[in-house]
Amino acid sequence: AQKVTQAQTEISVVEKEDVTLDCVYETRDTTYYLFWYKQPPSGELVFLIRRNSFDEQNEISGRYSWNFQKSTSSFNFTITASQVVDSAVYFCALSDTYNTDKLIFGTGTRLQVFP
Amino acid sequence: DADVTQTPRNRITKTGKRIMLECSQTKGHDRMYWYRQDPGLGLRLIYYSFDVKDINKGEISDGYSVSRQAQAKFSLSLESAIPNQTALYFCATSDTDGKNTGELFFGEGSRLTVL
Repeated sequence: AQKVTQAQTEISVVEKEDVTLDCVYETRDTTYYLFWYKQPPSGELVFLIRRNSFDEQNEISGRYSWNFQKSTSSFNFTITASQVVDSAVYFCALSDTYNTDKLIFGTGTRLQVFP
Repeated sequence: DADVTQTPRNRITKTGKRIMLECSQTKGHDRMYWYRQDPGLGLRLIYYSFDVKDINKGEISDGYSVSRQAQAKFSLSLESAIPNQTALYFCATSDTDGKNTGELFFGEGSRLTVL
C-alpha cells in the first residue's frame, strides 16, 4: 500500500535557523511523483514542488531545498535561514498508482518560526 | 478573486441536517477534487471528478455524495450530517496537462461543524 509518513508533528525554531522537514514514503511503483505543499495560517494549500521518481537530483529554490533519496524512500525539505513567514503546516504527498493527479498526503508537519 | 472558490467558508449545523458545500473554479480545469482535513490525519480524498460525466469515490466517500453540475462546479453533500464529519473541507482542481501532474489548486477551505 502507498503511504506517506511525516514523523515530525511540530517543529519550533528561531528565525534564521535552518530546519529540515522529513518525509518518508512507501510505494511499489517504479514511476511516481512526490510533492510538497504549504498551508499557511490563512488555510489555503499552496504547491511547492513536484519530483519525478526518475529524477533524484536535489533542487534548490531560494531558501528552500529538497533532498530526494530513493535508497531511503525519503524526500526531505530544508528551509535555510528560516523566517517568520515560513510558519505553516507542510505536507508531503505521493501520487497514486493509477492516477498521478490523486495524491496521498502525509499528516503534515507544523513549523513555527519565532522572531 | 480566488480561482477556486468555496461556499460557505464556515458552517455550523446539527446532526441529521443536510449540508451542501459548493466549489466553483475559473481555472478551466477538467479535474476537481474534494478533500477533508482533520488534525493529525492530513488530507484525505473524498471524491474526485475528471469531467462532467465522471464521478469517482476516494478514500473516505461513505456519508458523502457529489455532483458535477458543470466543468466549473463540483458540490459536496452530506445527506445526514454527523459529528465526526466535523472537519475542514477543501476543493481542488488540476489540469490534464502532463507537465503539471499532481499540481493541485486548492480553495480556501470550508470549515464545517456538526453539533
